[in-house]
Amino acid sequence: DGGITQSPKYLFRKEGQNVTLSCEQNLNHDAMYWYRQDPGQGLRLIYYSQIVNDFQKGDIAEGYSVSREKKESFPLTVTSAQKNPTAFYLCASSIWGRGTRNEQFFGPGTRLTVL
Amino acid sequence: KNQVEQSPQSLIILEGKNCTLQCNYTVSPFSNLRWYKQDTGRGPVSLTIMTFSENTKSNGRYTATLDADTKQSSLHITASQLSDSASYICVVSAAAAGNKLTFGGGTRVLVKP
Repeated sequence: DGGITQSPKYLFRKEGQNVTLSCEQNLNHDAMYWYRQDPGQGLRLIYYSQIVNDFQKGDIAEGYSVSREKKESFPLTVTSAQKNPTAFYLCASSIWGRGTRNEQFFGPGTRLTVL
Repeated sequence: KNQVEQSPQSLIILEGKNCTLQCNYTVSPFSNLRWYKQDTGRGPVSLTIMTFSENTKSNGRYTATLDADTKQSSLHITASQLSDSASYICVVSAAAAGNKLTFGGGTRVLVKP
């Protein structure tokens, strides 16, 4: 999985609870991303970060929060405000810039289920 | 609005047979197109990447084609193996804003013995 780790692999949450998903990379990449994947749909961007201490909202940021205190780490918190959090969450990283071949490398994913 | 459409949504093929997956996109301005393979419960892994000037790219038994004029791409799997059972995702990058990606919904391939 290209030097990106996500934990836990499976996560169960009760309604009303916040949970934090971990993402760590050792590829020395500047950029990191969080995506959500639902059955039959394309990946949707939640948040991304180009550099430490900076991050931007993606297409579906409501109900989520992130931090980027270290280059290697980009944790995602799913808050109780997220109406339908059950999904497969994927973290990715890449070189940041306008290069045409800046491939995003994906982690193994975390499956979150709300009980 | 940038969109990537894939067809079929799913297909079943017998081991050893060939198959072709389709991808149509409306992403503009175009930067590159990738095909990813995603095993169930795992993260996607890149198979091929093509820029505007490339119209075919191979990776073992996987061959991708790109027609930038019609904005279509295909992924051909030759002599399928059981390990080819996975979802195949077409991803198009826009040449702006840090190469934002638009993902297709994927084609789920099941190879049967």
